[in-house]
Amino acid sequence: QVQLQQSGPGLVKPSQTLSLTCAISGDSVSSNSAAWNWIRQSPSRGLEWLGRTYYRSKWYNEYAVSVKSRITINPDTSKNQFSLQLNSVTAEDTAVYHCAREVDTPTVRGFDYWGQGTLVTVSS
Amino acid sequence: DIQMTQSPSSLSASVGDRVTITCRASQTISRYLNWYQQKPGKAPNLLIYTASSLQSGVPLRFNGSGSGTDFTLTISSLQPEDFATYYCQQSYNIPRTFGQGTKLEIK
Repeated sequence: QVQLQQSGPGLVKPSQTLSLTCAISGDSVSSNSAAWNWIRQSPSRGLEWLGRTYYRSKWYNEYAVSVKSRITINPDTSKNQFSLQLNSVTAEDTAVYHCAREVDTPTVRGFDYWGQGTLVTVSS
Repeated sequence: DIQMTQSPSSLSASVGDRVTITCRASQTISRYLNWYQQKPGKAPNLLIYTASSLQSGVPLRFNGSGSGTDFTLTISSLQPEDFATYYCQQSYNIPRTFGQGTKLEIK
């Protein structure tokens, strides 16, 4: 059974960096058939995919254009986890942040396991 | 980006009713369409992947269909635990995008 456990602060000051971690159990961040994603949800934006990291003989990262200049997603193979860093946050970045596994094969797709969600509020 | 449009945005129904939610993509996505159920305070839960495949553990009353740009999620006989918000999501290309959601409420 795959489990994703999120950790990180729920309050970040404007202009600072939002940092979250997603610890994986029951699978490997280096899996050749999965991708590891960050998705956020807010009343104004709905569900918004932010980016992903995955391993296919080498590491790949893909990011949403809306946050591409501010985001970094890194795998940590030693701890079997991946992280999100979002720089220069504003109140618009206030949301519930989810990590999620995506099955990524030619015939099967979908976010099948999710973290518990972290409400991150950007406020001074 | 591929835009996903769901209808209706909200729906009132009774236990035992058959309900259908539709999702339209702004361009063809083959069958790379997934459906999720979300309850308050919880993460979305995958119900249907690649348009019509039932995720393990999901009741048979949930059915997905469609291809190209038009897709439907049908719940054949609503149960009390089905009242939630439903989202479609395309996995055809990057960025992954979601519909705006359909809130299913008890009549």
